[in-house]
Amino acid sequence: GAGVSQSPSNKVTEKGKDVELRCDPISGHTALYWYRQSLGQGLEFLIYFQGNSAPDKSGLPSDRFSAERTGGSVSTLTIQRTQQEDSAVYLCASYLVLQGEAFFGQGTRLTVV
Amino acid sequence: QKEVEQNSGPLSVPEGAIASLNCTYSDRGSQSFFWYRQYSGKSPELIMSIYSNGDKEDGRFTAQLNKASQYVSLLIRDSQPSDSATYLCAVGEGGYQKVTFGTGTKLQVIP
Repeated sequence: GAGVSQSPSNKVTEKGKDVELRCDPISGHTALYWYRQSLGQGLEFLIYFQGNSAPDKSGLPSDRFSAERTGGSVSTLTIQRTQQEDSAVYLCASYLVLQGEAFFGQGTRLTVV
Repeated sequence: QKEVEQNSGPLSVPEGAIASLNCTYSDRGSQSFFWYRQYSGKSPELIMSIYSNGDKEDGRFTAQLNKASQYVSLLIRDSQPSDSATYLCAVGEGGYQKVTFGTGTKLQVIP
């Protein structure tokens, strides 16, 4: 596709359940970020993948959060044992490293009830 | 800890005026600088990028960079109500270009 695609666009889950969010970046983009944005707040960095390098996981808020990127393309963000404070919009962005310009997906709105 | 600082606002300007949005950054080695616009309920979209000191103009938008002062700004001329949004400053490192975002400045253009 022409842009960054995220799925699902909306997810409602019960507290304690696991969820998996998917990001399909722009073809050829070597870097991929996950961010979280709560209502009215700024972007909270979660994790950064760059090529074959070890990911920068410094933003993951707890060990319930994990992410992987398979084959340098699609990425999944997994949240285990969801809590109400995990409710937010989860944004994925990809870019070509040398340009440094990020392109964002439409986000996944996660609601934990 | 690399930081990017923005005034959260809201910054209110009348229609037709110049809106000036400011951003400072902590990493003196930063190489690339970006402004993103985020409408309420939408994802950020890139509006300007700047890599060298000075001004860069694109239509009604001008990005200004001063690396010595670690300062980057965005000017919006002839502000329109449709410019009302949150503007995010982002700064990239050299090399593998990890990008750090500021928390954004909310701009309100009053008709």
